[in-house]
Amino acid sequence: DVKVTQSSRYLVKRTGEKVFLECVQDMDHENMFWYRQDPGLGLRLIYFSYDVKMKEKGDIPEGYSVSREKKERFSLILESASTNQTSMYLCASSFNSGANVLTFGAGSRLTVL
Amino acid sequence: GQNIDQPTEMTATEGAIVQINCTYQTSGFNGLFWYQQHAGEAPTFLSYNVLDGLEEKGRFSSFLSRSKGYSYLLLKELQMKDSASYLCAVKDSNYQLIWGAGTKLIIKP
Repeated sequence: DVKVTQSSRYLVKRTGEKVFLECVQDMDHENMFWYRQDPGLGLRLIYFSYDVKMKEKGDIPEGYSVSREKKERFSLILESASTNQTSMYLCASSFNSGANVLTFGAGSRLTVL
Repeated sequence: GQNIDQPTEMTATEGAIVQINCTYQTSGFNGLFWYQQHAGEAPTFLSYNVLDGLEEKGRFSSFLSRSKGYSYLLLKELQMKDSASYLCAVKDSNYQLIWGAGTKLIIKP
């Protein structure tokens, strides 16, 4: 019954490494999102996409990029990981109509040493 | 700036009722959401309010007053499994979600 799958639950990377976080949804949703979640803060939007090969910057895009080559897959890329990118990363998807209720993945906890 | 305020933590007793408040100041309003997030898990959708009033869904109800910039989530007949964080989010005039930091609800036997 898994609907939004994030490929890695836990990752440990070193400063400067390139990091790929993968997200796949099986609900044929048009919209996909990447958030980061940090203690004491609300979810912060990094990037989102309303369609294949389309991307929009969210509130905190610096240091990140994304790729959406297929409708079901949305990848988050950290070109050169830094310690301040240690966080929980949540992928979500929604239909592009109605209330746009989000369905979230279980999250990827990234530690950058 | 845009802001969502909710209490950081609340404690309640099994079987009781608890109300989690959310106040917001946003540029425009296009709906308010409540999500539940158990520790280490994905947030899951609980409710959506776009008009004033109370929406009831089983043991959970959500209330909205747009004129006051205020919502609450009401949980009745609390169960231990209700221990979780509850996230309030408002969709602004650009249809972007603004998130509160979440309220951690602790249920005691």
